[in-house]
Amino acid sequence: KAGVTQTPRYLIKTRGQQVTLSCSPISGHRSVSWYQQTPGQGLQFLFEYFSETQRNKGNFPGRFSGRQFSNSRSEMNVSTLELGDSALYLCASSLALGYNIQYFGAGTRLSVL
Amino acid sequence: DAKTTQPTSMDCAEGRAANLPCNHSTISGNEYVYWYRQIHSQGPQYIIHGLKNNETNEMASLIITEDRKSSTLILPHATLRDTAVYYCIVRVENSGYALNFGKGTSLLVTP
Repeated sequence: KAGVTQTPRYLIKTRGQQVTLSCSPISGHRSVSWYQQTPGQGLQFLFEYFSETQRNKGNFPGRFSGRQFSNSRSEMNVSTLELGDSALYLCASSLALGYNIQYFGAGTRLSVL
Repeated sequence: DAKTTQPTSMDCAEGRAANLPCNHSTISGNEYVYWYRQIHSQGPQYIIHGLKNNETNEMASLIITEDRKSSTLILPHATLRDTAVYYCIVRVENSGYALNFGKGTSLLVTP
């Protein structure tokens, strides 16, 4: 069974631009969570989607948004990029909402210049 | 979620057992202990979890003390590929919301 797939693996953007990251969960998994990882803050939760609805949200500004499609694939968008948005963005899938066993993708490394 | 305390870093010789401790003295009766690891530049990987009995799978063993206030993750024969940050997380099973990874223990396996 294929794992969680995140695309692209690397991105370079400039301040003020926007970016869209994609995540394909494990087949049969219906919940997708997004995390941001930086050296200073560690892993921080962004949001969780289940049945195409955002169910939980972390403490991030409204520039960070996401969505989930009917096939459980998910995208996250960051608008008006800032230098501090440079991070590894990780997607995790799980069987259902709130499951503690989550399977992570390799992440998308975003660099904002 | 109960607070956990882990050493910042540990070393282990290749081929030896790596024993990673986690203190969770405020754990509640219905909270499980979960272990994840993150190899450099990869996403975290689920390893094992348990409530009160010792658990073993193909990756590791989890030993939980009788009072449940601490636990130890054991990698029986550590390899260089086990070099990673190991996270101990305590929470109610499938309780929802985000996993709180904390800072974890950075394990270095040396030749």
